[in-house]
Amino acid sequence: DAKTTQPNSMESNEEEPVHLPCNHSTISGTDYIHWYRQLPSQGPEYVIHGLTSNVNNRMASLAIAEDRKSSTLILHRATLRDAAVYYCILGRNSGNTPLVFGKGTRLSVIA
Amino acid sequence: DADVTQTPRNRITKTGKRIMLECSQTKGHDRMYWYRQDPGLGLRLIYYSFDVKDINKGEISDGYSVSRQAQAKFSLSLESAIPNQTALYFCATSDNLYGSPTEQFFGPGTRLTVL
Repeated sequence: DAKTTQPNSMESNEEEPVHLPCNHSTISGTDYIHWYRQLPSQGPEYVIHGLTSNVNNRMASLAIAEDRKSSTLILHRATLRDAAVYYCILGRNSGNTPLVFGKGTRLSVIA
Repeated sequence: DADVTQTPRNRITKTGKRIMLECSQTKGHDRMYWYRQDPGLGLRLIYYSFDVKDINKGEISDGYSVSRQAQAKFSLSLESAIPNQTALYFCATSDNLYGSPTEQFFGPGTRLTVL
């Protein structure tokens, strides 16, 4: 299975944009890029996913490199509630393979 | 009411005891999963089920068993609990849309301590 590499931790100031990087150099053509986050004392929750084109939703934006070997999750204005562990995960488009979570990036937001 | 519920939320037990963790969902999803999380680590997949008659091992299934009693219920058992099974356990569900990735919905977790 293709793997992802993320920084262990990042820090951001409140109300500033945050760019969370993810490298996935062995991604296959059928792999979607998923992002989940886990708030303290909660189960993970879905953030966004994409295949080739950049994606936007109410929570975040996903920027995917043209060669698809890396991607960036963008939080446009970090709030204290965005402090969480963010997981970048590759998943087959068939949906027949469960998501495999790595260690993720722990985002701290400073007031 | 929560879409994915787990019982119990917290459990302390002793080495050698049989433990069952239960997961129920009201989302009508076919697919259900059990993960465990250890401090500072990500989630690791224990077992998953794509429908009532389907059970698959994940990356760390040794020492665990599961039962899919109905579409809405997926139970995880520790036949003889040991201290290194102390962890946070999460149940998750997802829809079954072949050819399209689907979102996984997670329960609140069960904190299990094995003394």
